[in-house]
Amino acid sequence: DVKVTQSSRYLVKRTGEKVFLECVQDMDHENMFWYRQDPGLGLRLIYFSYDVKMKEKGDIPEGYSVSREKKERFSLILESASTNQTSMYLCASTEGASSYEQYFGPGTRLTVT
Amino acid sequence: AQKITQTQPGMFVQEKEAVTLDCTYDTSDPSYGLFWYKQPSSGEMIFLIYQGSYDQQNATEGRYSLNFQKARKSANLVISASQLGDSAMYFCAMRDLSLSFGAGTTVTVRA
Repeated sequence: DVKVTQSSRYLVKRTGEKVFLECVQDMDHENMFWYRQDPGLGLRLIYFSYDVKMKEKGDIPEGYSVSREKKERFSLILESASTNQTSMYLCASTEGASSYEQYFGPGTRLTVT
Repeated sequence: AQKITQTQPGMFVQEKEAVTLDCTYDTSDPSYGLFWYKQPSSGEMIFLIYQGSYDQQNATEGRYSLNFQKARKSANLVISASQLGDSAMYFCAMRDLSLSFGAGTTVTVRA
């Protein structure tokens, strides 16, 4: 059974803090994704990664960076958190280019005050 | 540019009736996949159904079917015999080079 875990379910940070959101998958998946979900906007892709040390910008990468040093772990970094980054963050993984099912983590609800 | 468009923010449906959720997409990639996910109030994303761009037949999974009209770039989800547990947010998504989601449709099933 595929498992995607995220380091925190709820997180509260102050404006200007550096924030790390961690995502780990245990099925040796190649592809990993970070989304943010906001009411009325659905899920918007921030960054994705096809392999270790590889990263691609999604639709809304501004204000974020990512790190993929190991295949199972994909980290989302907010260098200097701002209130407009308050959101639900979802991580997903999938096996490869031909695989069609994405597996999602439970999400991290981040509040920046 | 918006890759996935879901035009219905919310819908009400009577229990045991069928409901159709609209989804249109935009891609120039000949190879792509279309998905529907369900997100109940608990927040988890539940995969429902998949349609590949080269699949000749419409995908079906139990009470879910995907009405794939390639020329119209349309991938509507049909839920038959609605149940109270179907009340949730539903997302259409497309995989080409990445994975893009629509804004979602909230479905409320009435008893």
